[in-house]
Amino acid sequence: SQTIHQWPATLVQPVGSPLSLECTVEGTSNPNLYWYRQAAGRGLQLLFYSVGIGQISSEVPQNLSASRPQDRQFILSSKKLLLSDSGFYLCAWNGQHSTDTQYFGPGTRLTVL
Amino acid sequence: QKEVEQDPGPLSVPEGAIVSLNCTYSNSAFQYFMWYRQYSRKGPELLMYTYSSGNKEDGRFTAQVDKSSKYISLFIRDSQPSDSATYLCAMSSYSGAGSYQLTFGKGTKLSVIP
Repeated sequence: SQTIHQWPATLVQPVGSPLSLECTVEGTSNPNLYWYRQAAGRGLQLLFYSVGIGQISSEVPQNLSASRPQDRQFILSSKKLLLSDSGFYLCAWNGQHSTDTQYFGPGTRLTVL
Repeated sequence: QKEVEQDPGPLSVPEGAIVSLNCTYSNSAFQYFMWYRQYSRKGPELLMYTYSSGNKEDGRFTAQVDKSSKYISLFIRDSQPSDSATYLCAMSSYSGAGSYQLTFGKGTKLSVIP
């Protein structure tokens, strides 16, 4: 069966510091991978998605970037965090078939102070 | 007009009640419809998945889709305190480059009181 991991689970960072969040998927190959942010009262916002190694599409211009160095690894980064980057970051995956829905990881709660 | 509208609640019901959660949408391109359950400080968990108009039942849960009215519902029978969570509706459409993306409602927070 497929499993999705995210770490760290929680993170408290000062404004201006760098960020690296990691997501890995087990039990599948060539998944589509997604990064979402969930802020209170704003629902789930798609940040980036990737259909393959090195292929990244950005949905929202912002302070963040994403990379996919391996088939089942997706990384969310920032060079300098802003207060507005605080939120709950979720990684998700689905298969390549058009009917495949998305499955979410446990999330990383980021607080920027 | 937002693509997906969902009443955020909160919704509070007594144990054993029937719960009705709803979403409306405006984009006719949406092809697949999902309900996710999210417990506090956890990732969303897929609950129901449908692609055609009509009803789909899974235990105490029934998902209903009315494409002509652009309206989807989730019914929970014999609600339990363990059903207390935020319920997110989601809809899928083709975004190009081999990817089907989801558009989410903001979620309805449900509390089932013992």
